[in-house]
This record gives sequence, C-alpha cells and structure tokens, in this order.
Amino acid sequence: QKEVEQNSGPLSVPEGAIASLNCTYSDRVSQSFFWYRQYSGKSPELIMSIYSNGDKEDGRFTAQLNKASQYVSLLIRDSQPSDSATYLCAVAGGGSEKLVFGKGMKLTVNP
Amino acid sequence: NAGVTQTPKFQVLKTGQSMTLQCAQDMNHNSMYWYRQDPGMGLRLIYYSASEGTTDKGEVPNGYNVSRLNKREFSLRLESAAPSQTSVYFCASSERSLGTVNQPQHFGDGTRLSIL
Repeated sequence: QKEVEQNSGPLSVPEGAIASLNCTYSDRVSQSFFWYRQYSGKSPELIMSIYSNGDKEDGRFTAQLNKASQYVSLLIRDSQPSDSATYLCAVAGGGSEKLVFGKGMKLTVNP
Repeated sequence: NAGVTQTPKFQVLKTGQSMTLQCAQDMNHNSMYWYRQDPGMGLRLIYYSASEGTTDKGEVPNGYNVSRLNKREFSLRLESAAPSQTSVYFCASSERSLGTVNQPQHFGDGTRLSIL
C-alpha cells in the first residue's frame, strides 16, 4: 500500500514568516510530486509540481524534493493571511495514472 | 473555459435511494477520477478512467459504479445510498502520463452529498 504522510498540524505562523510543510512517501519508484491548496469548502487547487531532486521556485512558493530520503516539502515565504488553507501533498509514479494524497496540513497565517 | 464541471453541487438522499453524479471536462484530458473526501481521511480514490472505454477501481470502490460515457464525461452512480456514503465527492481530470512523468490533476468544485 503506497502511503503519503503529512504532519497533521495545524501549523500557525505570523504574517511575513516562512511556513514549512513536509511530506514523506513510501514508494521508492515515485516520480511525480504535487502540492495542492484547499480553502475551506472549496476544491483542491494545484500550486506546485516537482519531478527532479532539488528546489523549484514559483513566486513565494518553493518545493523541495529529495528522492533518496523520500520527502518533499513546500516553503511559503512572506506568508499572508490569504495563504491560510489546507495543503495537500500528492505523489504518483511507477507507471500508474493514480495520485496518492496525504491527509493534508492546515496552515493558519495570523495577521 | 469551464475546466471540470460537476453536477449537482448539493444533494440530500434517503437511505436506499439511487443517484448519479455527473462530471464533464473540456480540457481534452484522457484520464478522469472520482474521489471522496471525509474529515480526517483526506482524498480517497473511488474509481478512475485512464482513457475512454476503460475504468479501474481505486481505494474505496464498494457501493459505487462508474461510466466513462465518452472522453469528456465520467459519471459516478450510487445504486443504494447508505449513510456511510455521506461525503464530498470530487471529480478530477488530467492529461495522460508522459512516460514516468504524471501530469497534475485538475478538480471540479465538488458535490456535497448527505444521506439520511
């Protein structure tokens, strides 16, 4: 059974701080990694994809992937109250079309 | 450009009733998915369709059936609804994987289903 683990949180940070969200996965053949943001009562929204080891930056968001250690993380710099949401990690690979999702981490950014 | 459209948005059923949740995408994606989301359980895959004419079970298929009507549409049917199927249902679609690289999934707005 492929597993994706996220700290359940919740995580609370002050406005302007860096929020760090972490995810580990069990399947070593995983090749594709995604971070989704989900506001309360809304659907998941893709914010980052990462496929290679290292860092990938998009605006205030940085995804970090380490396949040897089987973890992927998301850093949110200069956190804003509008970043308050649940963040879902998703992992795929091994020839499957399926994503396996973590249970999500709720982030609250306090003004 | 609607993306993934789900109908209905809300539904209340009585135990034993049947209903079909509809999903359509206009992004010409090959793959489509049905998930349910329950508090503390995350997103769980019910069924998916990697291409028109094919469907496969996911993690929690019991009590559900699906139909990939054509490339655009993928429906989810509850034949005899049970209170345990009260949940938020999401449909998603994606382009086919390129080798070992999976494409991201794009989600509809969800259907909030209550079964009394």
